[in-house]
Order: sequence, then structure tokens, then C-alpha cells
Amino acid sequence: EAQVTQNPRYLITVTGKKLTVTCSQNMNHEYMSWYRQDPGLGLRQIYYSMNVEVTDKGDVPEGYKVSRKEKRNFPLILESPSPNQTSLYFCASSFAGIKQYFGPGTRLTVL
Amino acid sequence: GIQVEQSPPDLILQEGANSTLRCNFSDSVNNLQWFHQNPWGQLINLFYIPSGTKQNGRLSATTVATERYSLLYISSSQTTDSGVYFCAVVTQGGSEKLVFGKGTKLTVNP
Repeated sequence: EAQVTQNPRYLITVTGKKLTVTCSQNMNHEYMSWYRQDPGLGLRQIYYSMNVEVTDKGDVPEGYKVSRKEKRNFPLILESPSPNQTSLYFCASSFAGIKQYFGPGTRLTVL
Repeated sequence: GIQVEQSPPDLILQEGANSTLRCNFSDSVNNLQWFHQNPWGQLINLFYIPSGTKQNGRLSATTVATERYSLLYISSSQTTDSGVYFCAVVTQGGSEKLVFGKGTKLTVNP
């Protein structure tokens, strides 16, 4: 089954404790991206990747890191999480940026 | 950067009614997509439609790129159509950043 998976689905952590949210897709898509969704602000792009070893900043990249060492995986790294990074995070993938497929979301709470 | 405005922000319908959702954007685009976020938070891609018209069952979409707007039509609405509908665009000649509108929240009552 074609899908985008994210782990964990729910995470409660404390300020400053490094964490990684994994994202994996099985559709051989070149394009992958991360979004955060906040009430009243909608969906905002954090980082995107056009292909392996190619990443670029979206609209809200501060406080986040990504890497794209292989085509299927695109982890999101929070080196030192802060409470303002409490949000619902989505990973997505697509062929050449067309028709993006979203993962189920990761609800992150930073205390 | 590009501005994406969706209207109306909220819409309440009775089951069986038809509706039209609008997305206006402030610059030329080479990529426009419509998404549905169901009440459980799942985001589903409905259409990739940078121009022209497409139909999928009770849903159809039209984008008039020269006039910078897109419309999503829902006919014979069902309670399962409830949720938030998002329009998202990528500007021409720039980066591949996908910019979302704030969405239209649709509630279909039985």
C-alpha cells in the first residue's frame, strides 16, 4: 500500500531535549516536505527536499533541522525544542512536487 | 510572498446541498492543489489543478490561472464531506515552497 508514515504519532517532551520525528514513504517520490499546523495559522512549510542531499528552507525553518540521506526517509530534528514548537506536524511526499501525499501527523507537546 | 485567500471561512450545509469554495491567489502559480482535512486530522489530496477543470465523483474543481482563482464544487453534500478544505499553491519561477490558504471549514448536517 502506497503511504507516508510518521513516528511517533504523539510525543510529550521537555524543553531542550533533542528529538527526531521520522518520515518514510514507499512511493519512490523525489519530493518530501515537513509542515506544522497551528490553530489560526494554518499549515506552514518548515523544510522541503527536491531529492537526496537537496534540502531547502520553507517559511518557518527556525529551530528545525532535516536531512535527506536516502530517498525514502526525511527525518525532522529538533535539537533543542521549545514550547513554541508545540504543534501538529505533517510530512508529505510527491513526484516532482505534484499532488502531495500526507502522513498521518505527529502531535508534539513541549513542556 | 504570495497570498492565498479562501472563502468563506466557515460554511454550514444540510445534507444534499451543493456548495462552492473559492481560493484567490496573488501571483502566478504553476502548482495548485486542493486538500480535505477530515475531523480526525487526516489530509487527503483532492485535486492537482494548476489550470482547467477536473472532476472526481461529486467533487469538481476549476482553476482560472489568468484571473488567479480556483473553485471547488461539492454537489449533493454528505456528512462525510465535513472538515476543512485547503487550497495550496506554488509560485511560478520561484522556489518550490507550497503555500496554504487558511482553509474553509465545512459542516454538513444530517
